[in-house]
Amino acid sequence: EDQVTQSPEALRLQEGESSSLNCSYTVSGLRGLFWYRQDPGKGPEFLFTLYSAGEEKEKERLKATLTKKESFLHITAPKPEDSATYLCAVKSPGANNLFFGTGTRLTVIP
Amino acid sequence: ETGVTQSPTHLIKTRGQQVTLRCSSQSGHNTVSWYQQALGQGPQFIFQYYREEENGRGNFPPRFSGLQFPNYSSELNVNALELDDSALYLCASRHSAGGSEQYFGPGTRLTVT
Repeated sequence: EDQVTQSPEALRLQEGESSSLNCSYTVSGLRGLFWYRQDPGKGPEFLFTLYSAGEEKEKERLKATLTKKESFLHITAPKPEDSATYLCAVKSPGANNLFFGTGTRLTVIP
Repeated sequence: ETGVTQSPTHLIKTRGQQVTLRCSSQSGHNTVSWYQQALGQGPQFIFQYYREEENGRGNFPPRFSGLQFPNYSSELNVNALELDDSALYLCASRHSAGGSEQYFGPGTRLTVT
């Protein structure tokens, strides 16, 4: 059975204080690991897809990396507008859906 | 902007009632999925439609049903509402010839009292 565990549950950072969010997964034959950002009361916003170990993708202050067991979302010099919940999801072979973790709630303090 | 819209934004229903939620996908996005997101949880897969037929379902009872229309719109119907059905309902679409990433709408907040 697919499992996705995100840590920490919540993270408070000072503006400019870089950190990383973790997504550990158990899935046979990963067909994609996805990162989304979700603001309160809104739908998830797509950030990245990673397909194979060693792959990295960047967008502004965010960088996502993937190993065979986990993915990290690195946030460099965060700003208050980066405050949101970050969701990780996996897709397994033959599945039509994404399987989500419970998210990390990030708060960036000015 | 994902081009995915949902209506209504908020809805309050009484236990036992029925509800219909609507979603309009991007043109060309012929695959639509519905998810339920309880407070503080990640989205949970309800079902997926491709070319107007259900082709995948999560662990949800038959009182959750759906429709997809040729104009890229879809519906989620829930019968015999229960208090635990209170959640944010999300619609997500993708093009079957595109990547695996799904693009979500803003959601419908359903409260069952």
